[in-house]
Amino acid sequence: GDSVTQMEGPVTLSEEAFLTINCTYTATGYPSLFWYVQYPGEGLQLLLKATKADDKGSNKGFEATYRKETTSFHLEKGSVQVSDSAVYFCALRDTGGFKTIFGAGTRLFVKA
Amino acid sequence: GAVVSQHPSRVICKSGTSVKIECRSLDFQATTMFWYRQFPKQSLMLMATSNEGSKATYEQGVEKDKFLINHASLTLSTLTVTSAHPEDSSFYICSASGPAFANTEAFFGQGTRLTVV
Repeated sequence: GDSVTQMEGPVTLSEEAFLTINCTYTATGYPSLFWYVQYPGEGLQLLLKATKADDKGSNKGFEATYRKETTSFHLEKGSVQVSDSAVYFCALRDTGGFKTIFGAGTRLFVKA
Repeated sequence: GAVVSQHPSRVICKSGTSVKIECRSLDFQATTMFWYRQFPKQSLMLMATSNEGSKATYEQGVEKDKFLINHASLTLSTLTVTSAHPEDSSFYICSASGPAFANTEAFFGQGTRLTVV
C-alpha cells in the first residue's frame, strides 16, 4: 500500500540555520503531496502542497519540490526561526482522493 | 482556505461514559470526512472514513462498536467514543474533503484532546 517515510527527529538547529527534512513516498498512480505543521497542543495546519511532478510548493519561506524520479518531497527552509519549532508531517493523498497517509513526523527544535 | 471546526477542543470524562466529538465544515460541503487518532509523539493513524449518508469504513483494528461515526449531513460528522476507558485517551483529529476541491485536498480540524479518568 501507499506509504510515507520521513527522517527521524528530533532535529535541533540554531536560529538562521538551513533546514532540510527528507521525505520519500511509495504510491501507485500520481498522488498529491503535502507538508503539514503541528504546533504544541494544536491540530494540523497545511504548510504547502504539490499536486504533480516537478511542482514546487512554497509558504512562509518553506519549499518542497515533487520529484517523481526519486519519489521524494523534501522540505527546506533557508533560515529557520525559533517560531518554526514544531512537528512537521509529510503526507500523500492518493489519486482516488479518499485517504491522507502521513509520515511519522519530524520534531524540529530551533534554538535562539 | 476552507475551515473545519472541531468541538470540543478538550474533554475529560469518567471511565465508562461516552463522549461525542463534532466535526463541522463551515464553508464547504464535505462529502467525505476522516477521523484520525494521534498518540503522544506519534503520527496520525486513520481510524475511519465516512461518506455523507453512508456507513463509515473503518481501518483494520479499529472497533466500530466502540468508535461510532455518523455523517448525516454535508457539514457535520460526529465521533462517539462509547464506554470510554483510560486507554482511549488520545488526540482525535478530523479532516474533511469535498467536490469543491476535486477531492485532492483535505482540511483539518483543531483536534480534540480526550482524557479518560
